[in-house]
Amino acid sequence: GAGVSQSPSNKVTEKGKDVELRCDPISGHTALYWYRQSLGQGLEFLIYFQGNSAPDKSGLPSDRFSAERTGGSVSTLTIQRTQQEDSAVYLCASSPPPPGTTQYFGPGTRLTVL
Amino acid sequence: KNEVEQSPQNLTAQEGEFITINCSYSVGISALHWLQQHPGGGIVSLFMLSSGKKKHGRLIATINIQEKHSSLHITASHPRDSAVYICAVLRGGNNDMRFGAGTRLTVKP
Repeated sequence: GAGVSQSPSNKVTEKGKDVELRCDPISGHTALYWYRQSLGQGLEFLIYFQGNSAPDKSGLPSDRFSAERTGGSVSTLTIQRTQQEDSAVYLCASSPPPPGTTQYFGPGTRLTVL
Repeated sequence: KNEVEQSPQNLTAQEGEFITINCSYSVGISALHWLQQHPGGGIVSLFMLSSGKKKHGRLIATINIQEKHSSLHITASHPRDSAVYICAVLRGGNNDMRFGAGTRLTVKP
């Protein structure tokens, strides 16, 4: 595809369940970012991958959040034991090398925790 | 104090007016991004700056590294420019991003 894709586009889950969000970056983009935007709030950085490595995981809100990237391509963001405060739009972006170049955003996954 | 401050928070303009949105930051950065988020939620990167000035169509972005300040200008504004404009900085030494709260621009016909 031409752009960054994310799936699912919408996810409704019950409190306490685990969810997995997927991001397919643009082919050849070595950097991949996960962000979160809660309702009516600004964007919040979660984690950054350079290749398959995430040098800094301190942006993840809690230890219920984890992310991985395999093959330098697809990334998954997993939230365990979801809470209502996890409800937000989760956005993925990718950028080509070198670091710091323009980021291309996916459409986001809207997560609702009931 | 937030690391990235934007002003104004909200801006209403008449079609054709010249628009300026300001961004100040307090951390060392390697780059600054201006993003546009339309009402449907999609985000588009408008500019990535590390120095000087960039122009794309009616949009101009400038950055002053010494003063830690950037501006986004829209000339001859149009209702389709109505969106939230977000300033984001890529922190020097890391690759994490810090975001301003956004400026909601409404351009009336």
